[in-house]
Amino acid sequence: GESVGLHLPTLSVQEGDNSIINCAYSNSASDYFIWYKQESGKGPQFIIDIRSNMDKRQGQRVTVLLNKTVKHLSLQIAATQPGDSAVYFCAESALQGAQKLVFGQGTRLTINP
Amino acid sequence: DAEITQSPRHKITETGRQVTLACHQTWNHNNMFWYRQDLGHGLRLIHYSYGVQDTNKGEVSDGYSVSRSNTEDLPLTLESAASSQTSVYFCASSRGGTDTQYFGPGTRLTVL
Repeated sequence: GESVGLHLPTLSVQEGDNSIINCAYSNSASDYFIWYKQESGKGPQFIIDIRSNMDKRQGQRVTVLLNKTVKHLSLQIAATQPGDSAVYFCAESALQGAQKLVFGQGTRLTINP
Repeated sequence: DAEITQSPRHKITETGRQVTLACHQTWNHNNMFWYRQDLGHGLRLIHYSYGVQDTNKGEVSDGYSVSRSNTEDLPLTLESAASSQTSVYFCASSRGGTDTQYFGPGTRLTVL
C-alpha cells in the first residue's frame, strides 16, 4: 500500500525545531483520540492516544493536547528529525461503540535540513 | 514476530468482476477492520468484526462484504467492482476495547 498523494494541509519545519500539528473534531460525544503517522508506502502507525478525562499526555518526543471546549486536538513533536516526515492523522471515537475510528484528512509534515 | 499482512499488495481488475482482498493477523486479536483511503479523505471504515462470526457495516459499506470464519482472517470482497472502488485498502486489528489498532501495509486496487 502507499500513501495516497493527497492535497493535504502541509507543515514544513527545520530539523531540530518543534512541530505542532492541529486537528479539529466535530463529534462532542467522542471521548477517545489517537494520532497516527503514515509514511509513504506504509499503513498508519500508532503514535499516541488520549482519553477525554485528560487534557495532556506525553510520550517519547511527542505530546498530545486535548481541548474539549473547542473540540481541538494537537500533536507536538519535539526536536523534529528527518524520520518524522510523514502524513499525520488524528482519529476519534466514542468509547461506547469503541474502535469505530473516524479519521481526519491528515497533515503532511516535511522536515527541512 | 506477530504481524498483520495483506495480499495482494497491488491489484488491477475490471468493472463488474468479483475481487477479494485478504487480511491475516497473527496476534490473535478479536477485532478486525477494513478501511479505504482516497484522495481528499482520511481513512474511512468499510466493515469491522469483533470476533468470529461477527461482522458489522461501517461508514462506506455499500458494494463490500466481509466474513469472519476464524480469528486470524477477515477477507474483504467486492461483489461487482466499480471504478469508484479504486482506492488503497487498509486492514487493521486490535485486542478489543480501546486497544490500539494496528494497520497492515495496504492494498492498492485499481478498477478499470
